[in-house]
Amino acid sequence: KAGVTQTPRYLIKTRGQQVTLSCSPISGHRSVSWYQQTPGQGLQFLFEYFSETQRNKGNFPGRFSGRQFSNSRSEMNVSTLELGDSALYLCASSLDAGGYNEQFFGPGTRLTVL
Amino acid sequence: KNEVEQSPQNLTAQEGEFITINCSYSVGISALHWLQQHPGGGIVSLFMLSSGKKKHGRLIATINIQEKHSSLHITASHPRDSAVYICAVSYNNDMRFGAGTRLTVKP
Repeated sequence: KAGVTQTPRYLIKTRGQQVTLSCSPISGHRSVSWYQQTPGQGLQFLFEYFSETQRNKGNFPGRFSGRQFSNSRSEMNVSTLELGDSALYLCASSLDAGGYNEQFFGPGTRLTVL
Repeated sequence: KNEVEQSPQNLTAQEGEFITINCSYSVGISALHWLQQHPGGGIVSLFMLSSGKKKHGRLIATINIQEKHSSLHITASHPRDSAVYICAVSYNNDMRFGAGTRLTVKP
């Protein structure tokens, strides 16, 4: 089975722009979670999607949003980019929703905001 | 105070040594995860635990729910084990992460 894929792998944007990141889960996995990793804050939970519905959202401003499609692929969007949004954005898929399921991580998208 | 605390922050070992990384948490959890992150960013899930002990090759993970504590052990460490090890807990449909332990194994 193919693993979790994320596109693009690297991205450079300027302040004020918006960005869309994509995540394709492992075939058959219905849950996708997104995480932000920065040197200062470490890994932080952004949101989880299951069956096209957002189940939970972490403590991030409304500029961070996402969605999930019927084929379980997910996108996240960050609008009005700030310098502090520079980070590694990771998605992870699991068979089902909830904390009892093993998560499989993608390689991440490294976003740099100038 | 973070909900998930790991120790040590950094660890250097000689090849062949037995290694222990500790994780303490302060909230009620549905599961605890041990993750490995290599330079470049890729994360691999090593274990998911809700009780007891799991073993995979040279890696052993234990959890004590009453004491809210978990340990990750690496037996016969090898330079390829050099990575950042992260403890994470599933909590209230959320996931909280420790700061990570940077392990360097020298040949």
